[in-house]
Amino acid sequence: DVKVTQSSRYLVKRTGEKVFLECVQDMDHENMFWYRQDPGLGLRLIYFSYDVKMKEKGDIPEGYSVSREKKERFSLILESASTNQTSMYLCASSDSGMLDTGELFFGEGSRLTVL
Amino acid sequence: AQRVTQPEKLLSVFKGAPVELKCNYSYSGSPELFWYVQYSRQRLQLLLRHISRESIKGFTADLNKGETSFHLKKPFAQEEDSAMYYCALLTGGGNKLTFGTGTQLKVEL
Repeated sequence: DVKVTQSSRYLVKRTGEKVFLECVQDMDHENMFWYRQDPGLGLRLIYFSYDVKMKEKGDIPEGYSVSREKKERFSLILESASTNQTSMYLCASSDSGMLDTGELFFGEGSRLTVL
Repeated sequence: AQRVTQPEKLLSVFKGAPVELKCNYSYSGSPELFWYVQYSRQRLQLLLRHISRESIKGFTADLNKGETSFHLKKPFAQEEDSAMYYCALLTGGGNKLTFGTGTQLKVEL
């Protein structure tokens, strides 16, 4: 089974703090994604990556950055957390054949609360 | 613009009743569409893809290009179908998924 692991299930941070959300996948997938999930807004893509050291902006990249130094690890960084970044963050991965399968494998999510 | 619209936030049906979760899309190219499901306390997972024309857990979805729709249907709802359902469209040249806002399905006894 594909396993996507997000290191923190629950985090509470203060406004202005730097926040790191870590994601690791164990299936040698090329593609990795960060979404945020909000009630009534669904899933919105923040950033994604096709390969090591590659990154592409998604639909809502403002206030976020990412890092992919190794193929299996994709980190989401909030440089200065704000209250409107309180959300559930979902990491996902897929292989290069995504056009055929459309299948993303998701982690369990990291619920971030910014006070 | 590429967009996925799910007009219902919540759909409540009785057990044994038919279910239809609506999904409409806006896309200039040839659409590739999917339904994802998230059961309580579980990960989001792929339910079905239109290209496979498959039935999963009794659910089917037909792509209607004329109406730009991809509604999810099941003839007889079961209690275990209660979950959040997301419609998704493959975009960005086939490299990312754009999701709708989701519909919470509640099957009542």
